[in-house]
Amino acid sequence: NAGVTQTPKFRVLKTGQSMTLLCAQDMNHEYMYWYRQDPGMGLRLIHYSVGEGTTAKGEVPDGYNVSRLKKQNFLLGLESAAPSQTSVYFCASSYSPREGRYNEQFFGPGTRLTVL
Amino acid sequence: GENVEQHPSTLSVQEGDSAVIKCTYSDSASNYFPWYKQELGKRPQLIIDIRSNVGEKKDQRIAVTLNKTAKHFSLHITETQPEDSAVYFCAASPTGTASKLTFGTGTRLQVTL
Repeated sequence: NAGVTQTPKFRVLKTGQSMTLLCAQDMNHEYMYWYRQDPGMGLRLIHYSVGEGTTAKGEVPDGYNVSRLKKQNFLLGLESAAPSQTSVYFCASSYSPREGRYNEQFFGPGTRLTVL
Repeated sequence: GENVEQHPSTLSVQEGDSAVIKCTYSDSASNYFPWYKQELGKRPQLIIDIRSNVGEKKDQRIAVTLNKTAKHFSLHITETQPEDSAVYFCAASPTGTASKLTFGTGTRLQVTL
């Protein structure tokens, strides 16, 4: 099993450009999450999904959109990138509470995004 | 919403010494408290967790304690080794599981020889 994968690994954008980050998981997890990690600020939740076709806002959703068209994929979009969105982005997945299974968020390897 | 504070932000210990990282949370409904370890350039990984019906949990050299009344929990690492050097994150969730975690800001642990 590959676990949680993310593409791309690195990306440099100019202000105003758009891009999509792809997260894929092969563990049949119901829940998926997007975080950003900035120095001294830990992991902050951007958006999350509790199942195929559903999305919800996290702590810092402004400037981002997401879609979960398939259970195994969770896409994060930046419509008009800003320098403040320079960060490392992590995707994660987990079972839902009702499944009562192993309680861990499994993280992808991260995407380092720089916006100039 | 939940707010998790973590201290210290950096911690340096000598190999063989113990390390303690502390976290406080604000939401009394939180009932699940995991700890994640992130090595340099790598992804966070779960190392230990505790639920609100337990006061302490141990796994070899690592242990976590929880004080629900005071709303704080701590990570204890004994006999530290160089490979323990990493950033450690605490988190809290009201669901009893890994969903809807709020993370602390992290502690950079450096174990020196």
